[in-house]
Amino acid sequence: AQSVAQPEDQVNVAEGNPLTVKCTYSVSGNPYLFWYVQYPNRGLQFLLKYITGDNLVKGSYGFEAEFNKSQTSFHLKKPSALVSDSALYFCAVRDTNAGKSTFGDGTTLTVKP
Amino acid sequence: GAGVSQSPRYKVAKRGQDVALRCDPISGHVSLFWYQQALGQGPEFLTYFQNEAQLDKSGLPSDRFFAERPEGSVSTLKIQRTQQEDSAVYLCASSSPGGAQNSPLHFGNGTRLTVT
Repeated sequence: AQSVAQPEDQVNVAEGNPLTVKCTYSVSGNPYLFWYVQYPNRGLQFLLKYITGDNLVKGSYGFEAEFNKSQTSFHLKKPSALVSDSALYFCAVRDTNAGKSTFGDGTTLTVKP
Repeated sequence: GAGVSQSPRYKVAKRGQDVALRCDPISGHVSLFWYQQALGQGPEFLTYFQNEAQLDKSGLPSDRFFAERPEGSVSTLKIQRTQQEDSAVYLCASSSPGGAQNSPLHFGNGTRLTVT
């Protein structure tokens, strides 16, 4: 079985400040980890993924995420937030032996000017 | 277009009616997934195809839900005798030009189903 937890329903940051959106996961094997972003009335868009190798992965729009195996976490980060980053963010995990991805319940990020 | 296309964009059905939701994946994508997203929640897995083979249908909530992908391209999700609890956004995603498990999902914009 695989699962994802996003402990914060909402994250609020001021423009220009760093942001972190938290994610922890559980899988029986090795994980593939993903972050997606969803804008209103749109489908999810891929941001970045961790497969293997460096624990810090970089993705679209200046986002990055840090894989921590001991803490089973994959937190999304950005050094300087933009108002346009305001959206709903989903973390997802796929066991290397599974076909399906399992998603968290999402975190709404609001960046205020 | 280059992306995943879903139709209709919105569907209103009276309770008890049958509905069919269509998904056109990205050309050449081997894997196709259906997810259900309720308001305020993350996508919940319904079913998964690799080419025309339905490899996992463990997420289908009842035998009223049926999905097919007969030629390994377009897929249809059918819901029979719709109930109010079926109201949700139904997302289709495709991935894996080469069948790689580590490929990200490419989502369509979804079909918002409202059962009255």
